Amino acid sequence: GQSLEQPSEVTAVEGAIVQINCTYQTSGFYGLSWYQQHDGGAPTFLSYNALDGLEETGRFSSFLSRSDSYGYLLLQELQMKDSASYFCAVRDDRDDKIIFGKGTRLHILP
Amino acid sequence: DAGVIQSPRHEVTEMGQEVTLRCKPISGHDYLFWYRQTMMRGLELLIYFNNNVPIDDSGMPEDRFSAKMPNASFSTLKIQPSEPRDSAVYFCASGLAGHEQYFGPGTRLTVT
Repeated sequence: GQSLEQPSEVTAVEGAIVQINCTYQTSGFYGLSWYQQHDGGAPTFLSYNALDGLEETGRFSSFLSRSDSYGYLLLQELQMKDSASYFCAVRDDRDDKIIFGKGTRLHILP
Repeated sequence: DAGVIQSPRHEVTEMGQEVTLRCKPISGHDYLFWYRQTMMRGLELLIYFNNNVPIDDSGMPEDRFSAKMPNASFSTLKIQPSEPRDSAVYFCASGLAGHEQYFGPGTRLTVT
């Protein structure tokens, strides 16, 4: 079957670096996306990886290893406003399905 | 651009009533998605369209749910008859490709 696994919760300290992992099991693979969702808000697109390697966008970076079916989102210089849920999502190019992980809730301590 | 527009933002209805949720995607986006989010089940993809054609509706829970996209600028999600377990936040999203989606503010549905 198709599945995405990511930790349910992660806690980090303001100013630190945190990594949120995502492993996937799908029949096909088009790419890995990341979304951020604050409480009461809508998900917002953060990044997308189709090829192996690291993509950097400001304080956020996303990594993909297709051979390991694994990716992560790296948040640097954490700020209190980064407290949110983070979802990874995969598009399966064999059956055109789009699958979201259950989300990782990031808690940031002052 | 105003972003994805959804209406209504809140809907409270009684069990058995018909509910229609509306979505206007971002102009030029070829993909449109409908999601449901609850604490218990997380974010679930219900159906998505590419160029107004439904591509994957395997997430539609049952025949009570139906979605249409009569043109590139409008889509509806209908629940008939509604049940309390349908209470959730329903999101519409659009994108140029499936991997980069822009979500609307959502419709909070409460069925009593």
